[in-house]
Amino acid sequence: EIVLTQSPATLSLSPGERATLSCRASQSVSSSLAWYQQKPGQAPRLLIYDASNRATGIPARFSGSGSGTDFTLTVSSLEPEDFAVYYCLQRSKWPLTFGPGTKVDFK
Amino acid sequence: QVQLVESGGGVVQPGRSLRLSCAASGFTFRTYAMHWVSQAPGKGLEWVAFISNDGSNKYYADSVKGRFTISRDNSKNTLYLQMSSLRAEDTAVYSCARDPGLDVWGQGTTVTVSS
Repeated sequence: EIVLTQSPATLSLSPGERATLSCRASQSVSSSLAWYQQKPGQAPRLLIYDASNRATGIPARFSGSGSGTDFTLTVSSLEPEDFAVYYCLQRSKWPLTFGPGTKVDFK
Repeated sequence: QVQLVESGGGVVQPGRSLRLSCAASGFTFRTYAMHWVSQAPGKGLEWVAFISNDGSNKYYADSVKGRFTISRDNSKNTLYLQMSSLRAEDTAVYSCARDPGLDVWGQGTTVTVSS
């Protein structure tokens, strides 16, 4: 199965700062990668699909890039509601796999 | 509005079975493939199973293959997960999600496997 590695495990930032999250795949997933945001007690929320496409209703401060094995989720200027855990998911090959997550918390 | 509501969770002894349901509303269920995803307490997301819109294609995580069965009844707008030979490590919140993109999720139902 394809293993996804996310870094860093925790990112401590302040509102207004830029967040850069990484997801690396153990083999190429082409552009079949999505990003999700999850807050405590809530269901995950799709942010980005196919590596770089924002899902419906997602603010423009969220952007995704990359292809093959290396992907990045960028939040250009953190809002208070953006502090959460972020997961990547590859849907290139079965079984689908999630990364372990990156927690963005307050510095 | 588009909604997924899971049910059927509970406390079950190791080795026993449980069937989860996911009721869909607000969209044309029969045209969408679906997934089950789990999340153990304090842990990350784990993909569990997939079923195509007509039920003809199914895929499973290695950890549940041979023990869990995904199915659907398009006449009832309902997705199912039949869980058998349950283990302590299956303890988690189980959520259904709509394909493509897992763009709509339910709130989940909790399964606790304990003697």
